[in-house]
Amino acid sequence: KQEVTQIPAALSVPEGENLVLNCSFTDSAIYNLQWFRQDPGKGLTSLLLIQSSQREQTSGRLNASLDKSSGRSTLYIAASQPGDSATYLCAVGANSKLTFGKGITLSVRP
Amino acid sequence: DTEVTQTPKHLVMGMTNKKSLKCEQHMGHRAMYWYKQKAKKPPELMFVYSYEKLSINESVPSRFSPECPNSSLLNLHLHALQPEDSALYLCASSLVTPSSYNEQFFGPGTRLTVL
Repeated sequence: KQEVTQIPAALSVPEGENLVLNCSFTDSAIYNLQWFRQDPGKGLTSLLLIQSSQREQTSGRLNASLDKSSGRSTLYIAASQPGDSATYLCAVGANSKLTFGKGITLSVRP
Repeated sequence: DTEVTQTPKHLVMGMTNKKSLKCEQHMGHRAMYWYKQKAKKPPELMFVYSYEKLSINESVPSRFSPECPNSSLLNLHLHALQPEDSALYLCASSLVTPSSYNEQFFGPGTRLTVL
């Protein structure tokens, strides 16, 4: 059974800092990996999708990498802003299912 | 149109009521999903529809009944729910399944409270 781990559960940083959010998974037989953002009480916003054959994807200040063999992904956020405060979830896709980590709640202090 | 819409935004129901949640997308996606999310927990998959047919049921109690009347619509019919069913119900859609291109897009959710 696939298990997805995100540590730490919460992170507080000052504005302007570059961040790395980590995600690990136990089964490397995946189709893809998605990073999502969730604001309190809201739905999930897809940030980046990395296909299993890819190593990384970039969108604006966000860069996500994938190392299937080691079961790891990282989400890099450059020059963090208070508006980046949210919960970030990674989810591993396989067999029509997404398996989610518990998320990292990020707080960016002005 | 690149969004998934869900109605209602909030729903309060008693344990004897029957209600329905609705989800709609016009992105041409042929896979649609229902997830349940409790507070401070990740979403849990409930059902997957692929080409309007139920392909995955994650052992969900029969008081939840999904329906996919066409490729753009997904319903979740609720009957005789329990207070522990109170949660945020999320709908998602994706282009095809299974595939490495299977990026899922989520709606804003319906906040359900069962009294």
